[in-house]
Order: sequence, then structure tokens, then C-alpha cells
Amino acid sequence: AQTVTQSQPEMSVQEAETVTLSCTYDTSESDYYLFWYKQPPSRQMILVIRQEAYKQQNATENRFSVNFQKAAKSFSLKISDSQLGDAAMYFCAYRSALVTNFGNEKLTFGTGTRLTIIP
Amino acid sequence: EAGVTQFPSHSVIEKGQTVTLRCDPISGHDNLYWYRRVMGKEIKFLLHFVKESKQDESGMPNNRFLAERTGGTYSTLKVQPAELEDSGVYFCASRSTGEPFYEQYFGPGTRLTVT
Repeated sequence: AQTVTQSQPEMSVQEAETVTLSCTYDTSESDYYLFWYKQPPSRQMILVIRQEAYKQQNATENRFSVNFQKAAKSFSLKISDSQLGDAAMYFCAYRSALVTNFGNEKLTFGTGTRLTIIP
Repeated sequence: EAGVTQFPSHSVIEKGQTVTLRCDPISGHDNLYWYRRVMGKEIKFLLHFVKESKQDESGMPNNRFLAERTGGTYSTLKVQPAELEDSGVYFCASRSTGEPFYEQYFGPGTRLTVT
């Protein structure tokens, strides 16, 4: 079974600075997807960024980028130029790329990192 | 376009009582997923519907939980009888088969407190 570990329950960063959230995972599969989700207070969880395991290039979405180290099974999220609206709970998640007739679309999440932005 | 909605937003019940949570997916989304987050722990998958059929219910914890999706639209998750360890936030997500299969759209969750 796959597991996802987020070792930082809480992080804080000064506005306009850069912060990196850590995530490690364990799997025996070679093909999979990794995600970072953001859940602002009392709001829907939204997808921030995704990475396909077969791609060597790290994914980037505006101020959000990842450092994907497949051999080390590490998937960190870097937020540049932090803004007040980035304050949220961030969840790292894993999904197998193997989809069978019986499903296997489930996401496996970590415990989350609460990010606080200091004005 | 309305997002995934869940009702109620918060429910407080006593141990032994019954609670029914509802999820309305995005219109036209035939895939519907239930997840649960127990306080301070990871979000765990419960089950996956494709239309009205249960595609994967490997995460359902026990037979006190019953999920239905009659007509393939909204879904309900009933907990009967509720236990203290059922407390947590229950998330629903949906996806259209025609969209990228990795994109699940989440609702705001229902916070369930069992006392």
C-alpha cells in the first residue's frame, strides 16, 4: 500500500518570501501521479499542482513549483513571493496511474501542513 | 458553474444516533468519491461511485457506514449507529469521465462531531 508523509504540521513565512513544504511517499509502483492540494479556511480543497512520475521535468504553476525526486520518493512544494491568500492547509497526495475496471482512482493523502503567512 | 456542495456543513450527534450526510456533485459528473479526515490525521478514501454503481468501496471502515447514489446524481452517506471514532470531516469529490482522470473537484466537507 502507498503512504504519504508530511512531516511539517505547521509552517509560517513572511509575506513575499519563499517557503518550501515537504512531502515524502512510499510506493512500489513505477507510474503514478503526485499532487498538492490547498484548502483555505472553510473553503473547498483545490488542486494546486500535479506531477506525472514519468516526467523528469518539475511541474510549475505560476508561483508554485515542485521539486520531484523520484529515486528519493520526495515531492516538495515551493511557494515563491508568498501572498496572504496562500494561507491554507496544504495536502500532498498520491494516485496510481494504473486504473483497473474495479477502480483504483483513490487519492492517498498526507496529514497536511498548515501554512501561515505573516504580513 | 456550481461546485460540489455538501450538507450539512456541521453536524453534532450523540453516540448511537444516526446521521446522513449529503453530497451534490458538479452537474454531469458521473464519478463521485467520499473521503474522511479524522482530526489531525490524513484524509482517507472511503469509496467511489460511477453513476449509481459502487466502483471501489475498499475504504469503507465497517458496516455502520452505508453510501448510496440513487439515480446517479447526489449521494448520501449514512452512519448508523455513530461511534465516537466517526468524528471528523467528510469530504466529497466529483469528476467527469470526459475530463482528465486525475482532476477530482472537492466539496467543502461536512464536519461530524459524535459526543
